[in-house]
Amino acid sequence: DIVMTQSPDSLAVSLGERATINCKSSQSAFNSGNNKNYLAWYQHKPGQPPKLLIHSASTREFGVPGRFSGSGSGTDFTLTISSLQAEDVALYYCQHYLDSWAFGQGTKVEIK
Amino acid sequence: EVQLLESGGGLVQPGGSLRVSCAASGFTFSYYAMSWVRQSPGKGLEWVSAISGSGDRTYYADSVKGRFTIARDNSKNTLLLQMNSLRAEDTAVYFCVREARGYSYAEVWGQGTTVTVSS
Repeated sequence: DIVMTQSPDSLAVSLGERATINCKSSQSAFNSGNNKNYLAWYQHKPGQPPKLLIHSASTREFGVPGRFSGSGSGTDFTLTISSLQAEDVALYYCQHYLDSWAFGQGTKVEIK
Repeated sequence: EVQLLESGGGLVQPGGSLRVSCAASGFTFSYYAMSWVRQSPGKGLEWVSAISGSGDRTYYADSVKGRFTIARDNSKNTLLLQMNSLRAEDTAVYFCVREARGYSYAEVWGQGTTVTVSS
């Protein structure tokens, strides 16, 4: 089974500062057939369904603010919020979706 | 507007059965693979099951294999999850999810329906 490990489990960042979340996969998410990494990021706020932020490791979904960016390849990935806003307080999950689905345990982002 | 609306959640005793449904609208349902994802209280997201657009291929997490059955009715734009032999650890919010065509990430999520397994 694929195991996704996020770090840290939680982080507190001042408004306007950068937040960085790491995600490590036990198996490569890279599909050599189309040169894409099958890695997505979701934002989850209480009482709401998760929201897709980024797919293919670095492609922002339509309507997602530009302060959210994804990077990485293979087994190591990063989600960066360049300038944290109050509305970004949430849980963030990475997901491996090559062949099967696996989610990370989640990272809680709070305001310092 | 693309919408997924789950229903059928509730309280059930351990060992019991429950069927949850997801009504899809705003898109050509049969074009998309669909999945169920759950979130247990205080825990993260867990993929449960998936089904191809035509319904001929189904997939299950080891934790539910042999107990849960996923199905779809493309004539009624409905996704189903039949849950048997329910356990306390199946208590969760169950989300209906539309997969992105060709890539399978979770593109659209329903609001979720709550299943509680307790005596």
